[in-house]
Amino acid sequence: LAKTTQPISMDSYEGQEVNITCSHNNIATNDYITWYQQFPSQGPRFIIQGYKTKVTNEVASLFIPADRKSSTLSLPRVSLSDTAVYYCLVGDMLGATGRRALTFGSGTRLQVQP
Amino acid sequence: KAGVTQTPRYLIKTRGQQVTLSCSPISGHRSVSWYQQTPGQGLQFLFEYFSETQRNKGNFPGRFSGRQFSNSRSEMNVSTLELGDSALYLCASSSGPDGTYEQYFGPGTRLTVT
Repeated sequence: LAKTTQPISMDSYEGQEVNITCSHNNIATNDYITWYQQFPSQGPRFIIQGYKTKVTNEVASLFIPADRKSSTLSLPRVSLSDTAVYYCLVGDMLGATGRRALTFGSGTRLQVQP
Repeated sequence: KAGVTQTPRYLIKTRGQQVTLSCSPISGHRSVSWYQQTPGQGLQFLFEYFSETQRNKGNFPGRFSGRQFSNSRSEMNVSTLELGDSALYLCASSSGPDGTYEQYFGPGTRLTVT
């Protein structure tokens, strides 16, 4: 499984845009990139998933360059409630023949200040 | 639609005892995965079941086992508990067999071994 590297922590202020970059140099052709958010004492929550270029949903955008060796999660106008740990995961699509587990790295602890 | 439920939410056991944790996936989801989360090791994959079959297993000793029932509900069992088994145990379900399907996590069971 491709290993991911993220900053351990980041600080921001309310209303700012936050960009968290994840490095995955050994990403394979079939690998998708997925981001999860986790609050203390809760299970992780899916944020966004992509394969290449840019994906956007109601909460975030995911930018993936052409070589796919990194990805950037962009959170527009963060609020205090966005304070959480953000995990970048890389996993493949094996279809009906099997499925690999999600491998979580250390994650990025985002602290949003008022 | 009801989310993933886990019971019990909190549990205190003594070293040497065994414990069984339960997970009810989202209705219609056939894949259930279990994870262990500790401050030191982070989120680690235990095993995954799809249609009552264990498809993947993480690097945990044989004291950790699980099963899935025909209604997709899953249980995990830990025998001969050790202090190091104290952790948040998370269950996640998804509707599909591979990594492109979003995983929905439950709130977890907080196990304390004394």
